[in-house]
Amino acid sequence: EADIYQTPRYLVIGTGKKITLECSQTMGHDKMYWYQQDPGMELHLIHYSYGVNSTEKGDLSSESTVSRIRTEHFPLTLESARPSHTSQYLCASKTGLADTQYFGPGTRLTVL
Amino acid sequence: QKEVEQNSGPLSVPEGAIASLNCTYSDRGSQSFFWYRQYSGKSPELIMFIYSNGDKEDGRFTAQLNKASQYVSLLIRDSQPSDSATYLCAVRLGGNTPLVFGKGTRLSVIA
Repeated sequence: EADIYQTPRYLVIGTGKKITLECSQTMGHDKMYWYQQDPGMELHLIHYSYGVNSTEKGDLSSESTVSRIRTEHFPLTLESARPSHTSQYLCASKTGLADTQYFGPGTRLTVL
Repeated sequence: QKEVEQNSGPLSVPEGAIASLNCTYSDRGSQSFFWYRQYSGKSPELIMFIYSNGDKEDGRFTAQLNKASQYVSLLIRDSQPSDSATYLCAVRLGGNTPLVFGKGTRLSVIA
């Protein structure tokens, strides 16, 4: 079982607020990923990281930022939340030595 | 053209039958292939992966890969109602590149 955690699990927030979604893993994985997924829809890659101080943009990165200061921690920040950000956000990680990618439980975000 | 294509379904099969889920990919250089299962409201969980042409079996699940046809499939034998979920096909070009996911196929196993 994967040890990857996301907080908060649910968040309801008003438009214009700055929010940070937390993701942590205790497996020492170097690669971490953020995905956005609307209900019943496909996964979209937002950002990813190959390791400490490495961040890369995915398909939907323009409205968010990430940082990777520690191996185990990969937070996602929305500077100004909008209703269009309402979605589920999934964090994932893998080690470079194997292909298995594990997902966290997700954060369901609602922006009013 | 989307890189990873799946029929969105729903695919309905009776309990005990074989469910066959299909996936095609566009990049011929793709090297590794994955099947994830996602229950409604939950995060994806890995079922199995395959690298080489042919079949790979794990319990009731068999992954099949045909690189020449750029085609991956997942067979679920003796389907159970608990198998009802969305099945995501994912492909990695190679090395450290991120997985590319299909939209998923919704499977419904009818008791």
